[in-house]
Amino acid sequence: DAKTTQPPSMDCAEGRAANLPCNHSTISGNEYVYWYRQIHSQGPQYIIHGLKNNETNEMASLIITEDRKSSTLILPHATLRDTAVYYCIVRLWMDSSYKLIFGSGTRLLVRP
Amino acid sequence: NAGVTQTPKFRILKIGQSMTLQCTQDMNHNYMYWYRQDPGMGLKLIYYSVGAGITDKGEVPNGYNVSRSTTEDFPLRLELAAPSQTSVYFCASSYGGNGNTIYFGEGSWLTVV
Repeated sequence: DAKTTQPPSMDCAEGRAANLPCNHSTISGNEYVYWYRQIHSQGPQYIIHGLKNNETNEMASLIITEDRKSSTLILPHATLRDTAVYYCIVRLWMDSSYKLIFGSGTRLLVRP
Repeated sequence: NAGVTQTPKFRILKIGQSMTLQCTQDMNHNYMYWYRQDPGMGLKLIYYSVGAGITDKGEVPNGYNVSRSTTEDFPLRLELAAPSQTSVYFCASSYGGNGNTIYFGEGSWLTVV
């Protein structure tokens, strides 16, 4: 089963890029990588997801290595409102269905 | 389009009582999930459903039951509430295929005293 490993915490300065790493060394060929964030105890907010190509949307960019064993979420210009817990998740195919199994996440603190 | 709606938002329950957390989605998603999140921890999958009439256990199913009689609704039942079930509960839904976005509700805060 593919699982993810993230640093427990990171910080960056406001206005700078935040680069959040994630290892998923046992990922299978058809399993997508998803990123969500959670601010306080609100419902997880979708950020971005990808399979093998790099992806970009209005919130962030996702860089996936060629071997797919790791990825990096990039918030190009972090703001104080980006302070949150960020979850890197592999959507697993288990028991004939897709499951989203969360890890512990990275707590990102954006400093003024 | 309301997305994923959970009720109630807050509830205090006494030990041994029963209750149902409601979850409704209006996006015609076939997959629905229930998660719980204890303070300072990540989300744990309780139960999930891949369509009406089909449910299965997740990581932490003990003490809970679910049913899925319609595509829209996926209620979570606590039969004999215990203090260990004090948590925030999140419902989520998606289309089943991989690569689709999973949408979460805003959560239901449950305290068992």
